[in-house]
Amino acid sequence: AQKITQTQPGMFVQEKEAVTLDCTYDTSDPSYGLFWYKQPSSGEMIFLIYQGSYDQQNATEGRYSLNFQKARKSANLVISASQLGDSAMYFCAMREGDGGFQKLVFGTGTRLLVSP
Amino acid sequence: EAGVAQSPRYKIIEKRQSVAFWCNPISGHATLYWYQQILGQGPKLLIQFQNNGVVDDSQLPKDRFSAERLKGVDSTLKIQPAKLEDSAVYLCASSFGSKGTDTQYFGPGTRLTVL
Repeated sequence: AQKITQTQPGMFVQEKEAVTLDCTYDTSDPSYGLFWYKQPSSGEMIFLIYQGSYDQQNATEGRYSLNFQKARKSANLVISASQLGDSAMYFCAMREGDGGFQKLVFGTGTRLLVSP
Repeated sequence: EAGVAQSPRYKIIEKRQSVAFWCNPISGHATLYWYQQILGQGPKLLIQFQNNGVVDDSQLPKDRFSAERLKGVDSTLKIQPAKLEDSAVYLCASSFGSKGTDTQYFGPGTRLTVL
């Protein structure tokens, strides 16, 4: 089974609107971390936001927020007030366990295009 | 604070040739990772170092790929001989530790084309 599933290959949004990028995950480990990264055409993976499995509150970082629904095993990224510079690939990733040396497993990504 | 540095940014070689990539992690980061990202896919971990020791190389094709991290800082990843299917972006990342909560920070990557 896929550990991380991103079902939206591409998303379109108009500038200044909000957009939600979907991510579902599969794990039986009670301790895990969920990460979102942005990859512009330049290729670098830019860390956006982190959510721990034991965190009570949904994570927020500026215009980015994570809609964490533990029972549904989903960790959707919400980008508010989209900007042209948000056009990029977005990857959801998970790291299981807290004992150290655990792999970060990535989804296949969603390409976001922001139009003027 | 300087980020993760990688070189070269681009490399084109012919199959059966050898190639090497270099990575300098963020200062103070004990854990270093090499990922392979094939076009249209998410990154896949090749090897993970904790200081200068390997802690996971289960997905490294050891017949042709090798990596080292001497002195626990810089790292090199080598492919010898290269195959067509090695065409990908090779990303280096580092983190302060290796717990599930430790964020990995990535370099700009090296785009390898094998002809």
